[in-house]
Parts: sequence; structure tokens; C-alpha cells
Amino acid sequence: AQSVTQPDIHITVSEGASLELRCNYSYGATPYLFWYVQSPGQGLQLLLKYFSGDTLVQGIKGFEAEFKRSQSSFNLRKPSVHWSDAAEYFCAVGAGFGNEKLTFGTGTRLTIIP
Amino acid sequence: KAGVTQTPRYLIKTRGQQVTLSCSPISGHRSVSWYQQTPGQGLQFLFEYFSETQRNKGNFPGRFSGRQFSNSRSEMNVSTLELGDSALYLCASQELPNAGELFFGEGSRLTVL
Repeated sequence: AQSVTQPDIHITVSEGASLELRCNYSYGATPYLFWYVQSPGQGLQLLLKYFSGDTLVQGIKGFEAEFKRSQSSFNLRKPSVHWSDAAEYFCAVGAGFGNEKLTFGTGTRLTIIP
Repeated sequence: KAGVTQTPRYLIKTRGQQVTLSCSPISGHRSVSWYQQTPGQGLQFLFEYFSETQRNKGNFPGRFSGRQFSNSRSEMNVSTLELGDSALYLCASQELPNAGELFFGEGSRLTVL
């Protein structure tokens, strides 16, 4: 069965600083990987996804993620965070083809300090 | 285009009761998925429907059920509620299964007393 580990429960970053959120996955076949963001009281919004091809994926809001098969990782990065990026971030892996039965990590809560 | 609409947004029930939650997908979306979000277990897949048929099911007891109507609207039902069923229930839709992006609603927050 697939699984996702987000080792950082909470990260605090200064506004304007760079950000990297870690995600490690376990899946027997080619993984379909996703990053979602959830603001308080809101549903989830897709930031980016990796299905195949270029291992560096660009997403919305200036985020990018790099798929590294050798490390079973799919870390999310942003070169300069904004106060509006404060939210909870979830990494997920899809079973079967695409986004079937997503398995989510436990999430990383991001706090931005001025 | 309106987003995924879930009703009710908040509700309180007592143990042993049952609850029905509703989800209206984005217009034109025919695939609907349900997820449960709790502080302890995180986000867990419940089930997915397409063309009124359940395509996938997560590891939840039979007290959790769902259905989809011909207009793609979906409902989920939880019978004999337990305290542990307190959660945010999220619905997501997409045009077709594995279309590439799930669009999530804001969820229905269920509290079981």
C-alpha cells in the first residue's frame, strides 16, 4: 500500500525567505504525486502535480516541486514566501492511474513571520 | 462557474444518530470523491463515484455509504454515529476519473456528541 511522510509538522519562515517542504512517498509503481494547500476553514487547492516527464514541476503561486525517484521524494519549494502563503500543505500520492484514492501525508503547517 | 458546494457546512449530532451530507460538483464534472479529515488520522479517502457507480472505496466500515445521482450530485451517509466520526468531510469533483485535478469543496464539519 502506498504511504506519504511529511516529516515536518510545523515550519516557521520569515517573509521573503525561501521555503522547502519535505515529502517522502512509498509506492510500488510509478507514483502520481500532488501538493495541495489548505487555508483555515477552506477546502484543498491543488498547487502542482507530477505524472511523468520533467521531474521539476511548476505550479501555481510560484511553487515548484522536484521528483527524485532515487530518494522517493517530492519536495515543495518556493524561492520567496509571502504572508499569504501561511496555510497547511499536504503531499499526496495517487493509486492506480492518476489521482485515484489519494493517500495524503499528515500535513505541514506553515507560519510566516514578518 | 460555481465551485463544489457542500451542505450543510456545520452540523451537530449525537451518538447513534445518522447523518446525510450533500455535494454538488462543479457543472460538467461527473466524478465525485469524498474524504474524511480528522486531527488524528488526517485526510482519508472514503469513496469515489462516476456515472452513479462507486468506482473506488476506502477502508471505512459499512456505516459509511454514499451514492450519486444522475445529475452528478452526491450524498454520503453515516449511520449509527460514533464520537470518532467527528470530522471535516470533504467532497471533490473532476470532469472524469483521473482528469488530473480534484476540485475540493469547503467541507461539512460534523460534530458528534
